[in-house]
Parts: sequence; structure tokens; C-alpha cells
Amino acid sequence: DGGITQSPKYLFRKEGQNVTLSCEQNLNHDAMYWYRQDPGQGLRLIYYSQIVNDFQKGDIAEGYSVSREKKESFPLTVTSAQKNPTAFYLCASSIAWLGGFGTTDTQYFGPGTRLTVL
Amino acid sequence: GQQVMQIPQYQHVQEGEDFTTYCNSSTTLSNIQWYKQRPGGHPVFLIQLVKSGEVKKQKRLTFQFGEAKKNSSLHITATQTTDVGTYFCAGGTSYDKVIFGPGTSLSVIP
Repeated sequence: DGGITQSPKYLFRKEGQNVTLSCEQNLNHDAMYWYRQDPGQGLRLIYYSQIVNDFQKGDIAEGYSVSREKKESFPLTVTSAQKNPTAFYLCASSIAWLGGFGTTDTQYFGPGTRLTVL
Repeated sequence: GQQVMQIPQYQHVQEGEDFTTYCNSSTTLSNIQWYKQRPGGHPVFLIQLVKSGEVKKQKRLTFQFGEAKKNSSLHITATQTTDVGTYFCAGGTSYDKVIFGPGTSLSVIP
């Protein structure tokens, strides 16, 4: 069964602790993304990776870190430097970064992880 | 910076009524994508429009891309309770980035 998985679905952490969110895909997609969604708001891009061993900061990268050592995995670490980490985190992947001919590749989203920092 | 806005933020309709959400970009887009997120779920891709003035239909859903490629709309005819959710537009930029709008949350009253 192909798809993109995130675990856990709900995560609770104490303030000041780093926490790593898992994102795995078996779609053989090159590009992967991390978004943050706050209540009533849209998706804000945290980090993205166009290809394995490469990643770039998105719009709100401060307080977050990522790695892309394997094509299928793109874990996100929420560090203690992130001032307001409680949010719904969504991971996505697409076949490639460039869709070609003016298109943008469809992004397939995981089920999300709801992080609450106490 | 480049922004994508959506109106309205919330819409409550009686089942059977029509619904429209509008997406506006501060700059010209290379394409527009639409996603739907059910309550408690994750965004799911609906469609992509690339050409100026393009109109696409999916059953009761009609998607339109403006002539200037700076705005788009999603129209649902005769809403059903299964249409409940948040509809996001996502604009593709000349830098091959995708910028999501804040979404329109649709509630359908049975």
C-alpha cells in the first residue's frame, strides 16, 4: 500500500525539549515538504527537500531542523528555540520539485502530527 | 512578499445551495492548485489549472483560472454534506514554489 506516513498522530512534550516528527513515503518521490498549520490558518512551509541529501529553508524555518539522508525519509526536529511549537504538522511529497510546462507537481500529504507542548 | 489570499474565510450554506470561494494572488502565477481538507484530516489534491482562462469541471465542482493568472475560483453546485471541509488554493510561482492560501472553511447545514 503506497503512501506517506507520519507518526505519531498526537505528540505531547514538555517545554524546552526537542522533539522529532517522523515522515516516511514509499511513493519513490524526490521532493518532500514540511508544513505547519495553525487553527483557522493555511499551510506555512517550514522546510523542503528537492532531492536526497539536500534541503532548503521555507518561510518559517527558525526553530526547526531537518535531514534527508534517505529518499523515503524526511524527519523534522522541533527544537527548544521554536517559540510557539504547538501546532498541526503536515508532511508532503511530490514526484519532483519541477512539474514542467508551467505545472507544479501534485503534493501528497501525510495524515499529520498534532504536537502539543505543555 | 508574494501572497495568496482567499475569501471568504468561512461560509455556511444550506444543503442544496451553491458555494463559491475566490483565490487572489498579489502576482502572476504559473499555475493554481486546489486542495480539500476534511475536518481532522489532511489536504487532498483536487485539481491543477495552468492556462489563462482555463475552466475545469469535476462533477458538481467548477474551477476557473483568471485571464491574468492572478485569481481563481472554485464553485460547488448544490452542496452536499460531503462537501464540508476547508478548501485551499495553492499558487505556483515563477520560482517553482507553491504558496498556499489561508483556505475557506465550508459548513453545510442539512
